[in-house]
Amino acid sequence: DTGVSQDPRHKITKRGQNVTFRCDPISEHNRLYWYRQTLGQGPEFLTYFQNEAQLEKSRLLSDRFSAERPKGSFSTLEIQRTEQGDSAMYLCASSFGADTIYFGEGSWLTVV
Amino acid sequence: KQEVTQIPAALSVPEGENLVLNCSFTDSAIYNLQWFRQDPGKGLTSLLLIQSSQREQTSGRLNASLDKSSGRSTLYIAASQPGDSATYLCAVSRPGAQKLVFGQGTRLTINP
Repeated sequence: DTGVSQDPRHKITKRGQNVTFRCDPISEHNRLYWYRQTLGQGPEFLTYFQNEAQLEKSRLLSDRFSAERPKGSFSTLEIQRTEQGDSAMYLCASSFGADTIYFGEGSWLTVV
Repeated sequence: KQEVTQIPAALSVPEGENLVLNCSFTDSAIYNLQWFRQDPGKGLTSLLLIQSSQREQTSGRLNASLDKSSGRSTLYIAASQPGDSATYLCAVSRPGAQKLVFGQGTRLTINP
């Protein structure tokens, strides 16, 4: 068990560009979550998958954000036409049912 | 809307002291409460999970209590060590909802 893996760990992009983050959950975990965290704040929920179905989305997830989890395995989070306000750490987490949630190390996004 | 508050925002104590971190939430209809640790620039590590039917959980030098009726939880750290320095976050979930609502965290510094 290698834990939740996220890639890339850091990304610097110019405003207006698209970025994609990947998350590999712990194997056999059927639930996968994306959160966003800015400096000095707690993480904020973005979206949740059970297997391949996206069951819940936050209002924070504007139409520029899209998340997928094909085949119920890894997940991607894409941000289109990035804005400076998108700069944050994007955290992926997974769990088996309602058990303890395990977080990855996060993907830092800086929009310049 | 559930709101989670952690006070104080920062705490600095000498090594060896016992200490208590506080977490309060506005809606007592929770499914569970979790305490996490976050090191600078890193992801979150789950410390303790308390189901709504439980009053406390213990792991090593850590003890977390839950009082749903008053909307409070405390994390007790015994015999603190410099390695305990980190940000501690509490988060609650609601029955039927999968997202965690986080507090802003308490940044703890243990001085040698």
